[in-house]
Amino acid sequence: GQQLNQSPQSMFIQEGEDVSMNCTSSSIFNTWLWYKQEPGEGPVLLIALYKAGELTSNGRLTAQFGITRKDSFLNISASIPSDVGIYFCAGSLQGNLIFGKGTKLSVKP
Amino acid sequence: NAGVTQTPKFQVLKTGQSMTLQCAQDMNHEYMSWYRQDPGMGLRLIHYSVGAGITDQGEVPNGYNVSRSTTEDFPLRLLSAAPSQTSVYFCASSYSENEQFFGPGTRLTVL
Repeated sequence: GQQLNQSPQSMFIQEGEDVSMNCTSSSIFNTWLWYKQEPGEGPVLLIALYKAGELTSNGRLTAQFGITRKDSFLNISASIPSDVGIYFCAGSLQGNLIFGKGTKLSVKP
Repeated sequence: NAGVTQTPKFQVLKTGQSMTLQCAQDMNHEYMSWYRQDPGMGLRLIHYSVGAGITDQGEVPNGYNVSRSTTEDFPLRLLSAAPSQTSVYFCASSYSENEQFFGPGTRLTVL
């Protein structure tokens, strides 16, 4: 089946640093989504991307839909302790979401 | 709006027992889905529904049944629980398959 390769698996950063993570796939997607999950909670949608090449921001978060439609990246600028969590990418093609395995972000104050 | 609600939050079952995980949404979303989340595996789609009376299988449907008699509710049934079904289960809803809103999850342990 379709798979998303999300990297890195985990990151340990200092508060104030910028963060970058990405997802790649062998398949083309029509939509890319980025979710954040905190311990004991369900994933929460951060950014949705619908067009190849699209660059979208949500506060300190910026995500891009790759021009080949096979990849996407998420940047977090000036990280803060509440950014801690697991970030998932998800691609949508024909009616269902395929999720990456997540990037676990730890932020040291 | 309560959004997506799931009950119970926690459940322990013995092998062979059956149970139903409840999911309800009050956003009038047509699309609802069930995922399971296992360590290191991300979220995997079990079953989904594009509207009342319509359901279909996802990536990992074996051992689970669903039905969708109303727009609001989408229960997930485990007919004969197995230890391999120990997982965290999330229900989600949306206007389409995109931008899905997730519930808080049900943590299931099968002994």
